[in-house]
Amino acid sequence: DTGVSQDPRHKITKRGQNVTFRCDPISEHNRLYWYRQTLGQGPEFLTYFQNEAQLEKSRLLSDRFSAERPKGSFSTLEIQRTEQGDSAMYLCASSLGNRDPLFGQGTRLTVV
Amino acid sequence: DQQVKQNSPSLSVQEGRISILNCDYTNSMFDYFLWYKKYPAEGPTFLISISSIKDKNEDGRFTVFLNKSAKHLSLHIVPSQPGDSAVYFCAASAMSTGNQFYFGTGTSLTVIP
Repeated sequence: DTGVSQDPRHKITKRGQNVTFRCDPISEHNRLYWYRQTLGQGPEFLTYFQNEAQLEKSRLLSDRFSAERPKGSFSTLEIQRTEQGDSAMYLCASSLGNRDPLFGQGTRLTVV
Repeated sequence: DQQVKQNSPSLSVQEGRISILNCDYTNSMFDYFLWYKKYPAEGPTFLISISSIKDKNEDGRFTVFLNKSAKHLSLHIVPSQPGDSAVYFCAASAMSTGNQFYFGTGTSLTVIP
C-alpha cells in the first residue's frame, strides 16, 4: 500500500494526558500537512512541512501542540496536556510539490 | 472567517441523474481549487482539481467548472451512482503566496437508488 498511513486510527485519552500521532506520507512526496476536522466542519490547517522544515503553522496550533518531521520522512504530532476541546479527527496529507494533497485515514482523538 | 463556503449542507439526487455541488470563495488570490469526497470515519479522498487558468476540468464522471468573476466553482457528477453518496468538500489555495488549503464545510450528497 503506497498511500498515506496514520497511526493510531483511534485514541481515547484522559484529559491532561499527552498523546502522539504518527503519519507516514507517500514516499516520494516532499510536502506533509496536518489538518484537524471537527464534526460539521471542513478540515482546518494546522501545520505544513517541506521535507524536514516546518514552514507554516496555524494560530490554531497552540503551544501544547508540536509537530516534527525528522529526516523529511514520517511526521509526528504531539498534543500535551490534552483538553476536551482537542477531541477531533487529525488528518495528515502529503503531496509532491504544492498540488493535490492526498490524505490518510485520520486519527480520531477522544479526550474524556 | 470562512474563505471557502459551501452553502448547501445536503443534496439528494436520483441515481442516474446529475449531481451539482456548489462552492463559493471570497479570496481573490485563490488560484487552485480541489474537490474531495469523504466517507464517515475516513480521510478525504481527492477527486479532481482545477487551476485558475482553466474554466473546466473533466475526469470521467466528474467535471469541475470555475467561474473566476463570480468566485464560484461547481462539481458535476454524471451519472450519479449510489456509491457517490458521501460528504464533498471543496478546497482552495493561493499557490504563489501560501501553502495551506482552505476547506469548505462540506455538502452531504445522497444518491437515491
